[in-house]
Amino acid sequence: DIQMTQSPSSLSAAVGDRVIITCQASQDIYSYLNWYQQKPGRAPRLLIYDATTLQPGVPSRFSGSGSGTDYTFTITGLQPEDVATYFCQQYHHLPYSFGQGTNLDIK
Amino acid sequence: QVQMVESGGGLVKPGGSLRLSCVASGFAFSGYYMSWIRQTPGKGLEYISYISSREDDIFYADSVKGRFTISRDNAENSVFLQMNSLTVEDTGVYFCARGLGMNPDWGQGTLVTVSS
Repeated sequence: DIQMTQSPSSLSAAVGDRVIITCQASQDIYSYLNWYQQKPGRAPRLLIYDATTLQPGVPSRFSGSGSGTDYTFTITGLQPEDVATYFCQQYHHLPYSFGQGTNLDIK
Repeated sequence: QVQMVESGGGLVKPGGSLRLSCVASGFAFSGYYMSWIRQTPGKGLEYISYISSREDDIFYADSVKGRFTISRDNAENSVFLQMNSLTVEDTGVYFCARGLGMNPDWGQGTLVTVSS
C-alpha cells in the first residue's frame, strides 16, 4: 500500500500569508494526486486534481505542484474562509490513500 | 446540480449490520463509477469500496473485505453498502462519491456508530 505523509499536521498563518503544505508518497504516484478542503461537519471538497489542475470554481489562490513522490499545495494570499483541514490523496494505486490532514487556522 | 444523499446510518452493536443507501441526482448516474469513502477517528479518510457502472469492476479495502458488499440500482440512481459483522473500528462518517479516484462530488455523509 502507498503511504501518504502530509506535513505539517497543523498550521497557523495570518490573512494574506502564503501557506504551503507538503505531501510525500511512499512510491511514485505519477501525479495522480488530489487536494481536498474539509470544513467542520462538511464533506471534503475537491480543490486540485492531477497534482496541478484546479477544479472549476476553485479560487486561483489555490495551487498545486510536484511530481514523483513529492507534492506541494499552496495558498497565495490566505483568506479567513480558508480555515479548514486540507488532505492529499493518491489515486495511482489501490487502495487509494489519504494523508492525515493539515489543520489550518488564522493567526 | 449534482447531489448525493446518504441514509441508513445509526447506532448498532458490535457484530450487527447496517445497509447504507445513496441516492444521486443531477447527472447520468448509470454512466459513472460510484465510491464509498469513510472517515473514522482511528484511520481518518479511507477509500473503502467502489463499483463500476455495469457492476463488473468492484473493489473493497482489506479492512472491509468479506464483511461489506457494494451494489447499485441504476434505475433508481442509487448505490448501496451492506455492512455486516460491524466492529467499533467501523465507527465513522460514510460518504458516497461520484467517480473513481478523482471524486469531485460527495454526499453529506451518514454517521455509523458501533457501540455496545
